[in-house]
Amino acid sequence: GAVVSQHPSRVICKSGTSVKIECRSLDFQATTMFWYRQFPKQSLMLMATSNEGSKATYEQGVEKDKFLINHASLTLSTLTVTSAHPEDSSFYICSARVTGHEQYFGPGTRLTVT
Amino acid sequence: TQLLEQSPQFLSIQEGENLTVYCNSSSVFSSLQWYRQEPGEGPVLLVTVVTGGEVKKLKRLTFQFGDARKDSSLHITAAQPGDTGLYLCPQTGDSNYQLIWGAGTKLIIKP
Repeated sequence: GAVVSQHPSRVICKSGTSVKIECRSLDFQATTMFWYRQFPKQSLMLMATSNEGSKATYEQGVEKDKFLINHASLTLSTLTVTSAHPEDSSFYICSARVTGHEQYFGPGTRLTVT
Repeated sequence: TQLLEQSPQFLSIQEGENLTVYCNSSSVFSSLQWYRQEPGEGPVLLVTVVTGGEVKKLKRLTFQFGDARKDSSLHITAAQPGDTGLYLCPQTGDSNYQLIWGAGTKLIIKP
């Protein structure tokens, strides 16, 4: 149980375009999902906390107008990187809270902006 | 500011050897999770410990939670190449069930 999927697994886009990443909890409902980014050889950096039916809470330094998060249902949260630039290239990972502080992670999305 | 330290930062050993990695925090963990992350993938939850002094075993992996709930250890017996990965023990944040991640321990098991 507690499977989280992410789509797409890899995406290449041109600078200035927008990219949407989907995060789904497949066999459970998640009122809270989290979005992280991870640069090579670095640990996970929390970008935002996504709560179903309400606005996401962004971490300091994360532009909410650039990284749009929508958590429209108990099984789906989306992250849209708007007007992507090469510096947005990274590994984006979502997770879903199951109980307490336990989080189950998706497999990640490798974004490359050219 | 709470400090989270995992040691060693890097460990490379031969298959069949035993090892222990450590997780220490300046603050009490509400609960402590250990995760393993392989390159290009999301972290995988290995275990959750809640009670001080608690010991949990997962096949060849033994997790121990310190009595004061500020530290934990992960012992692997007869390590195998499949144990290779980045081991993480995030600290629990102040709000919204957030987790705060350190650099972890990068473990390589050579065949």
